[in-house]
Amino acid sequence: EAGVTQFPSHSVIEKGQTVTLRCDPISGHDNLYWYRRVMGKEIKFLLHFVKESKQDESGMPNNRFLAERTGGTYSTLKVQPAELEDSGVYFCASSQVPRVNTEAFFGQGTRLTVV
Amino acid sequence: AQRVTQPEKLLSVFKGAPVELKCNYSYSGSPELFWYVQYSRQRLQLLLRHISRESIKGFTADLNKGETSFHLKKPFAQEEDSAMYYCALSGPLTGANNLFFGTGTRLTVIP
Repeated sequence: EAGVTQFPSHSVIEKGQTVTLRCDPISGHDNLYWYRRVMGKEIKFLLHFVKESKQDESGMPNNRFLAERTGGTYSTLKVQPAELEDSGVYFCASSQVPRVNTEAFFGQGTRLTVV
Repeated sequence: AQRVTQPEKLLSVFKGAPVELKCNYSYSGSPELFWYVQYSRQRLQLLLRHISRESIKGFTADLNKGETSFHLKKPFAQEEDSAMYYCALSGPLTGANNLFFGTGTRLTVIP
């Protein structure tokens, strides 16, 4: 069974550059979530898609972050321009029902390093 | 405000020794508590949740509402238990669609 897939697994970019992270959810999962773990801190919720619509984006840190899910399939998270404090691991998860705690499957994460 | 505290960033134990990963929480109401685990080069995955009161891979966790704790325990650690462990909660304040995590504890089991 294919799980949640994230690309790339690692990314190193310079401050001020743009980076786009991609998440392919499990086929058929309408709910897609983005989380991130900044170095030394807790994993924090960023946003939740239901199909192509943003159900909850209360965790997005600022307007340098843009998440999209065109067509309700894969999702992208763009950071533009990247800052040093954006370094961390970005997790994606998906679920059939809107219940991330018990029903979601997580990806391996994308480790982003901004230098 | 809700808060999950995992006081130990790193924890090392010898194989066969008991292990306890601490988790304390702050929440106004009755949250659901979870433990997630991420093994090396694998996905973050749910290990167990308090409402199930189950043992997974020999691990158990009891919710202590008086001490607001949800410590993860295993009587005899195995090398394959080495991983990153995250305590998390959700509830009406956070929403079932929003998990609130701690900072994680990296467990290393020494052969």
